[in-house]
Amino acid sequence: DTAVSQTPKYLVTQMGNDKSIKCEQNLGHDTMYWYKQDSKKFLKIMFSYNNKELIINETVPNRFSPKSPDKAHLNLHINSLELGDSAVYFCASSQDLASNGNGELFFGEGSRLTVL
Amino acid sequence: GIQVEQSPPDLILQEGANSTLRCNFSDSVNNLQWFHQNPWGQLINLFYIPSGTKQNGRLSATTVATERYSLLYISSSQTTDSGVYFCAVRNSGNTPLVFGKGTRLSVIA
Repeated sequence: DTAVSQTPKYLVTQMGNDKSIKCEQNLGHDTMYWYKQDSKKFLKIMFSYNNKELIINETVPNRFSPKSPDKAHLNLHINSLELGDSAVYFCASSQDLASNGNGELFFGEGSRLTVL
Repeated sequence: GIQVEQSPPDLILQEGANSTLRCNFSDSVNNLQWFHQNPWGQLINLFYIPSGTKQNGRLSATTVATERYSLLYISSSQTTDSGVYFCAVRNSGNTPLVFGKGTRLSVIA
């Protein structure tokens, strides 16, 4: 079974549309993340949630809205898509140091978003 | 925030050769991981290694936390080793991992 799974893997859409990417982890971790990988392969944190609560928001435009219905799920909704949003979005999870974890990060397979 | 520098940025190897990839970081860390991003884009965990040495088959890693660097060794490289190798670190609490820009490795037959 896949530990961190994302859907869809590929998404092609027009500028101005709204889209969502879903993420689920079955590792029992309490912290989940969204990272963005740009065309130069640079990986940058967008959001971090711990037990459904937002703990990191790295100056991401408010067109991006994460939602965590429970600690095993972290979805990413993007409004009014722009050309610059084209990237690969990775979901990840880890177990918090404060919860007897070591913070080791595990990634999903990524969702490639192309905005035309 | 913490800075992570990886070297070299690009590396081309003949199959069977050995290589060493380096990761320097600017502050103390409580987590350091090495990842391999394969040509299909998947990020594969190689090592969780905030300190010490670990080995897994042809790969091994060493982190010298007091001197703020980590090394990834690839021996007898194979074409399937091609891809981008990332080092990522965390320096406090449960803050997110910060990634280096990666080393792009191409192994040719």
